[in-house]
Amino acid sequence: AQTVTQSQPEMSVQEAETVTLSCTYDTSESDYYLFWYKQPPSRQMILVIRQEAYKQQNATENRFSVNFQKAAKSFSLKISDSQLGDAAMYFCAYRSYHNTNAGKSTFGDGTTLTVKP
Amino acid sequence: GAVVSQHPSWVICKSGTSVKIECRSLDFQATTMFWYRQFPKQSLMLMATSNEGSKATYEQGVEKDKFLINHASLTLSTLTVTSAHPEDSSFYICSARDGRERVIQYFGAGTRLSVL
Repeated sequence: AQTVTQSQPEMSVQEAETVTLSCTYDTSESDYYLFWYKQPPSRQMILVIRQEAYKQQNATENRFSVNFQKAAKSFSLKISDSQLGDAAMYFCAYRSYHNTNAGKSTFGDGTTLTVKP
Repeated sequence: GAVVSQHPSWVICKSGTSVKIECRSLDFQATTMFWYRQFPKQSLMLMATSNEGSKATYEQGVEKDKFLINHASLTLSTLTVTSAHPEDSSFYICSARDGRERVIQYFGAGTRLSVL
């Protein structure tokens, strides 16, 4: 079974600064997807960024980028120019590529990010 | 992006009663829907996966007679918590996958259930 580990329960960053959230995972599969989700106080889960394992290029979405290290099974999220609205709980998630797993995602325990003005 | 509507957003009920939570995909056909449970400041715990027209697949340790899931159409799935007890109080989140889109799950806004 796959596992996802987020070793930082809490992180804080000064507004306009950069912060990196860590995520490692364990899998024996070669094809899979990785995601970062944001859950603000409203508790609505929002997809921040996704990465296909077969792609070597790191995904980027505006101020959000990832450092995907497949051999190390590491998938960190970098938030640049942090804004107050970035304050939320962030979840790293893994999903197998194959249908046999019915598209189930495995979530990490989350990292609570505080943005200081 | 695609929208998943979850209703109600908050429900309070008496112990022993049943509560139904609805999850609708508004602008796509959801071939697969997922139901999660989340405790405060904790991760999402998958309860079950449902495919339209077939029985839900429950995760180990989830009582299927207590948490009834029905995925009767491509746009609607329901979770019924039967004979609710205070320990069932939690935040329940549904998620749907578009049949045309392999990768992305869309999430509802969640339902806070409080059982008195």
